[in-house]
Amino acid sequence: NAGVTQTPKFQVLKTGQSMTLQCAQDMNHEYMSWYRQDPGMGLRLIHYSVGAGITDQGEVPNGYNVSRSTTEDFPLRLLSAAPSQTSVYFCASSYSAAFRRNTIYFGEGSWLTVV
Amino acid sequence: DQQVKQNSPSLSVQEGRISILNCDYTNSMFDYFLWYKKYPAEGPTFLISISSIKDKNEDGRFTVFLNKSAKHLSLHIVPSQPGDSAVYFCAASASFNAGGTSYGKLTFGQGTILTVHP
Repeated sequence: NAGVTQTPKFQVLKTGQSMTLQCAQDMNHEYMSWYRQDPGMGLRLIHYSVGAGITDQGEVPNGYNVSRSTTEDFPLRLLSAAPSQTSVYFCASSYSAAFRRNTIYFGEGSWLTVV
Repeated sequence: DQQVKQNSPSLSVQEGRISILNCDYTNSMFDYFLWYKKYPAEGPTFLISISSIKDKNEDGRFTVFLNKSAKHLSLHIVPSQPGDSAVYFCAASASFNAGGTSYGKLTFGQGTILTVHP
């Protein structure tokens, strides 16, 4: 998974705790996004960004915050963790959101369990 | 409402035979379709794509077919190899314009687990 780094890889949280999933890419990509993968649901878009300072909501944004202060980093914040947020989270980046011409690269995933 | 559906959770195929993975969509605004492959504990990786102006795209052992009237696409793998065993996600994109630039959002299906037996 070229150039997209996610940390931590595994995390256990208690209900109500907050945490940040980090995502960094070194490919100078403008487009970055966060997905969650749940059994039987595929990959669902949480938030995305088309450039530094620009973010927007995806399909399932509730309970998550993002910011894009630099081109390289796109952290995902869980404000008050709930068991429903137990999932595998993938960060992805692309040169642009024009997917016809640009491949989207995924990180290796972050496994989050909320108890 | 699931706009992209992969109705077969799993598929088992013998090595050397053809694997056919199917995907249906409901949003007529989708104009670009992609297949991703995912191994356990790894992120998805791009496999092959097709524009809505085409009905077939081929890359080595992988061919994607698009039937716009049926809102259906399929991925054919010939011949199948044990290393092809993975989860395959279908994804679709609908372009939209913002600030004069064309963007797309990817909507994924649920995935199909392909197992290729030696």
